[in-house]
Amino acid sequence: DTGVSQDPRHKITKRGQNVTFRCDPISEHNRLYWYRQTLGQGPEFLTYFQNEAQLEKSRLLSDRFSAERPKGSFSTLEIQRTEQGDSAMYLCASSLGTGGSVDIQYFGAGTRLSVL
Amino acid sequence: AQTVTQSQPEMSVQEAETVTLSCTYDTSESNYYLFWYKQPPSRQMILVIRQEAYKQQNATENRFSVNFQKAAKSFSLKISDSQLGDTAMYFCAFEEETSGSRLTFGEGTQLTVNP
Repeated sequence: DTGVSQDPRHKITKRGQNVTFRCDPISEHNRLYWYRQTLGQGPEFLTYFQNEAQLEKSRLLSDRFSAERPKGSFSTLEIQRTEQGDSAMYLCASSLGTGGSVDIQYFGAGTRLSVL
Repeated sequence: AQTVTQSQPEMSVQEAETVTLSCTYDTSESNYYLFWYKQPPSRQMILVIRQEAYKQQNATENRFSVNFQKAAKSFSLKISDSQLGDTAMYFCAFEEETSGSRLTFGEGTQLTVNP
C-alpha cells in the first residue's frame, strides 16, 4: 500500500449534476477525513470517520453533501445538484486513529472538481 | 474557534540559504498540536514537522526546525540549506487534543527556491 488513493483526479461537471468521489485510505488506518481546498486557500475540514462511524461534520457540509464509509475501509463523498461554488479540490486523509499521542494524517492527491 | 494565520503569502530564497516562514494561531486550549505541511505543485500534501504544545523543546527534522513560542502563540518554520525541491506551498496547521484530529489550516505560504 503506497498511500491514500483518490479517484478520479479530475472531474468536470455541469451545474445541477451529481458527482461522487472515492477515497481509499492507507490499510489499517481507522480514521478517514475529507477536506475542501479552494484556490489559494488552505484546506477546510468537512467531515471525518472513525471506522464506519461519521463522528463529526463541519457546517460547510450542506445538505447536498453526503459522505459514507460503509465497511470502514474506502469512503465516498457525493455532492448532489452541484453549484459553481462547489468547484474546489477535495482532499482525503487517513490516520491510525488509535488515540494517545499525536495522530498523523496522510493526504491523498485530491480530486479537483470543476462545475461549469 | 481556532484560527491559524500565515502572514506571508509568498516568499523566495536562494538555493543553500536559510528561510523562515511565520505562523500564528489563536486558541484557548492548553493541549494541542502544531504542524507544517508541504504541498508541491500538483502533488499531495506531506507532513514536514510537528510539535506537541506540552513540549518546550523545539522540534527538528533534518534541515527543518521550528521556533515554538507558546505564550506568543507563534510557530515558525526554518528551512536551512534550501534546495530546489523545497519549492512548494507550505501550510501551518493546528489540532486540538480533543478535536478528534480535525486540522485547522492557515492560508499557506508559497515558497520558491531560486537556483
